Amino acid sequence: AQSVSQHNHHVILSEAASLELGCNYSYGGTVNLFWYVQYPGQHLQLLLKYFSGDPLVKGIKGFEAEFIKSKFSFNLRKPSVQWSDTAEYFCAVNPTGRRALTFGSGTRLQVQP
Amino acid sequence: NAGVTQTPKFQVLKTGQSMTLQCAQDMNHEYMSWYRQDPGMGLRLIHYSVGAGITDQGEVPNGYNVSRSTTEDFPLRLLSAAPSQTSVYFCASTRTGGRTEAFFGQGTRLTVV
Repeated sequence: AQSVSQHNHHVILSEAASLELGCNYSYGGTVNLFWYVQYPGQHLQLLLKYFSGDPLVKGIKGFEAEFIKSKFSFNLRKPSVQWSDTAEYFCAVNPTGRRALTFGSGTRLQVQP
Repeated sequence: NAGVTQTPKFQVLKTGQSMTLQCAQDMNHEYMSWYRQDPGMGLRLIHYSVGAGITDQGEVPNGYNVSRSTTEDFPLRLLSAAPSQTSVYFCASTRTGGRTEAFFGQGTRLTVV
């Protein structure tokens, strides 16, 4: 069975700092990759997704992620965070052709003004 | 444009009680699923359905039942609530064909005392 690891559980940054959240997955086949964000008290919203093609994908709110197949990684980045980015971020994968998602444990990001 | 609607938003149950969490989607998605979210564990798949009349177990199915009589609705039943089922429950739906992401409901925060 596939698994997803998010190594940063809690990250605290100041506004304008750069962000990189790690995500590694274990699965031998082709996968679809996602980053979801959950703002306090809200449901999960899609930040960005990767199915195939250009390994650098851009999402909403200035976020981007890079798929490195050789490292089984899909790290999330943002050059300059804002206070409004305070949220929990989840990496998720599913094997191509399947719909069930496997989630990482999440990273809580706290941005201080 | 409702998307995925879950009711109720909050619920407190006594140990041993039963209840049904409702989930409805208006996007004509074939695939629907239920996850539970617990601190430090991300989201874990409880049950899923690939279409009306078809359901299957996910990672943590014990203590829960589902049915799928229509494309729109996918209720989750707790047969005899236990404190270990205190969690936040999310319903999601996904289009079956093509490459697409899951859309999540607002969640149900359940406390079992």
